[in-house]
Amino acid sequence: EDQVTQSPEALRLQEGESSSLNCSYTVSGLRGLFWYRQDPGKGPEFLFTLYSAGEEKEKERLKATLTKKESFLHITAPKPEDSATYLCAVTGISGGYNKLIFGAGTRLAVHP
Amino acid sequence: DAGVTQSPTHLIKTRGQHVTLRCSPISGHKSVSWYQQVLGQGPQFIFQYYEKEERGRGNFPDRFSARQFPNYSSELNVNALLLGDSALYLCASASDGGGTYEQYFGPGTRLTVT
Repeated sequence: EDQVTQSPEALRLQEGESSSLNCSYTVSGLRGLFWYRQDPGKGPEFLFTLYSAGEEKEKERLKATLTKKESFLHITAPKPEDSATYLCAVTGISGGYNKLIFGAGTRLAVHP
Repeated sequence: DAGVTQSPTHLIKTRGQHVTLRCSPISGHKSVSWYQQVLGQGPQFIFQYYEKEERGRGNFPDRFSARQFPNYSSELNVNALLLGDSALYLCASASDGGGTYEQYFGPGTRLTVT
């Protein structure tokens, strides 16, 4: 069964304190791994897609990496506006269509 | 360009009632998916439609149904509402049901069942 586990559940950082969020996954035939940012009461905002092990993507203070079993979202010198829930999702070959399987998310709080 | 739009924003219903939620995808996108997000959890897949055909269905009861119209907009219907149906309902669109995997989400509809 396809599954995504994110850790930690919650993370509190001081402004400028870099850290990483983890996403472990089990999927039949990975088609893509996705990172989203979600602010309270709003829909997830697309950040990155990673397709194969070794791939890396960057956007401002965020960098996503992928191995065969997990993905990391590295946050460098975070600012308070980076506070949000970060969701990881995968889609695989099962079923022949592209449903996203999500983890429960990591709630990030960045304090000045 | 307009993103995915959903209506209404908020909705309060009583147990046993039915509800219809609406979604308009990004212009040019032919695939629409519906997800349910309970507080504190990640979104759970309900349906995916592509070119008006149901492509997939998640583990939800038959009280949940959906359809896609010729203009690619979509409706999610839930009958005989239960307290446990209270959640944020999210619509996501993609440019192609099979070859492109990135899905873009709307703001959601917050459903409260009392």
